Amino acid sequence: AQSVAQPEDQVNVAEGNPLTVKCTYSVSGNPYLFWYVQYPNRGLQFLLKYITGDNLVKGSYGFEAEFNKSQTSFHLKKPSALVSDSALYFCAVRDWEYGNKLVFGAGTILRVKS
Amino acid sequence: SQTIHQWPATLVQPVGSPLSLECTVEGTSNPNLYWYRQAAGRGLQLLFYSVGIGQISSEVPQNLSASRPQDRQFILSSKKLLLSDSGFYLCAWNPLVGGSSPLHFGNGTRLTVT
Repeated sequence: AQSVAQPEDQVNVAEGNPLTVKCTYSVSGNPYLFWYVQYPNRGLQFLLKYITGDNLVKGSYGFEAEFNKSQTSFHLKKPSALVSDSALYFCAVRDWEYGNKLVFGAGTILRVKS
Repeated sequence: SQTIHQWPATLVQPVGSPLSLECTVEGTSNPNLYWYRQAAGRGLQLLFYSVGIGQISSEVPQNLSASRPQDRQFILSSKKLLLSDSGFYLCAWNPLVGGSSPLHFGNGTRLTVT
C-alpha cells in the first residue's frame, strides 16, 4: 500500500525566513504526490502536485515542492514565510488500488511568527 | 466551474440519535466521491468512496454508512450515533478518470456527539 510520512508535528519559522515542511513517501511504482493546506475549521485546499517531469513543482501562494526520487521525499518549501501561512499542511499520495483515493500524512502544523 | 457543498457546517447530536450529512457537487459529471473523517484536528481517514450511483466502497468497518442516490450527491448516515463518531467530516471529489487530478474538498461538517 502507498503511504506518506510527515516526520515533524510542528514547524516554527520567523516571518521572512524560508520554510520547509518535510514529506517522505513509500510507493510501488511511480508516485503521484500532492500537498494541501488546511485552515481552522475549513476543508483542505490543494497547493500543488507532482506527477512527472521537472522535480521542482510550483504551486499556489508562492509554495513549491521538490521531488527527490533517490531520497523518496517531496518537501514543501517557500522562500519567504508569511504569518498568514500559519496552518496545517498535509502531504498525500495517490493509491491506485482504491479508486484514485489519496492517502494522507498525519499533517504538520506550521507556525510563522512575526 | 466546479463547486462542492456540504451541510450542515456544525451539528450537535445526542448519543443514539440518527445522522445524515449531505454533499453535492456542481459543474461536473460522473465524479468520484469521498467521505473522510478528521479526528482531533489532525489525520484524515477515508471512510467511503464511490465511483458511481449506488456504488459504495467502505474503507473501515464502523457505525456509519454512505449512499449515492444521484450522480452528484453523496450522503453519510448513521442509525445511532456513538460518542466516538464525533469529528470533522469532509466530502471530496475528483474526476472519474485522470489519476493526476487532485481531490477537491468541501468545507466540512463539525459533528459533536454528546
